[in-house]
Amino acid sequence: KQEVTQIPAALSVPEGENLVLNCSFTDSAIYNLQWFRQDPGKGLTSLLLIQSSQREQTSGRLNASLDKSSGRSTLYIAASQPGDSATYLCAVAVAAGNKLTFGGGTRVLVKP
Amino acid sequence: KAGVTQTPRYLIKTRGQQVTLSCSPISGHRSVSWYQQTPGQGLQFLFEYFSETQRNKGNFPGRFSGRQFSNSRSEMNVSTLELGDSALYLCASSPGGTGDNYGYTFGSGTRLTVV
Repeated sequence: KQEVTQIPAALSVPEGENLVLNCSFTDSAIYNLQWFRQDPGKGLTSLLLIQSSQREQTSGRLNASLDKSSGRSTLYIAASQPGDSATYLCAVAVAAGNKLTFGGGTRVLVKP
Repeated sequence: KAGVTQTPRYLIKTRGQQVTLSCSPISGHRSVSWYQQTPGQGLQFLFEYFSETQRNKGNFPGRFSGRQFSNSRSEMNVSTLELGDSALYLCASSPGGTGDNYGYTFGSGTRLTVV
């Protein structure tokens, strides 16, 4: 059974600092991994999708890496801003059309 | 391109009642998945529908059911509501084919409160 863990559960940084968010999964046979952002009481916004054959994906200030053999993904957010404050969730799919298994999320606060 | 639309946004129901939630996926997407989010359990998979057929199912009691229509819109129903069913219900839209590597797009959710 796939299990996804995100540590730490919460993180507080001053504005301008780089953010490093971790995600680990127990079964390396994944189809893809997706990072999401969730603002309080809202739905999920997709940030990056990494296919199992890829090592990383980048979008603007965001960069996500994937190491399937060690069961880890890391989301880097450069030069954090107060607007980056949110909960960040990673989720893995083990097959096309299969369910997503989510981590518990990391709640990020960027202080001005 | 319109996103994933969930209605209603908020619902308050009484224990024992039933409720129906609706999800319209992105145009052209044939798969709709449903998730329950609670503070204690996080995000848990309910079920997935593809081309009007339930393709995957999570570990929820039979009180939770769903269906998908020919236009890919989906509804989920919860009968005999319990206090523990209070949650944010999210639906996710995807192309659904098995040949492509795709991500999921989520709606804004329906906040259900059972009193």
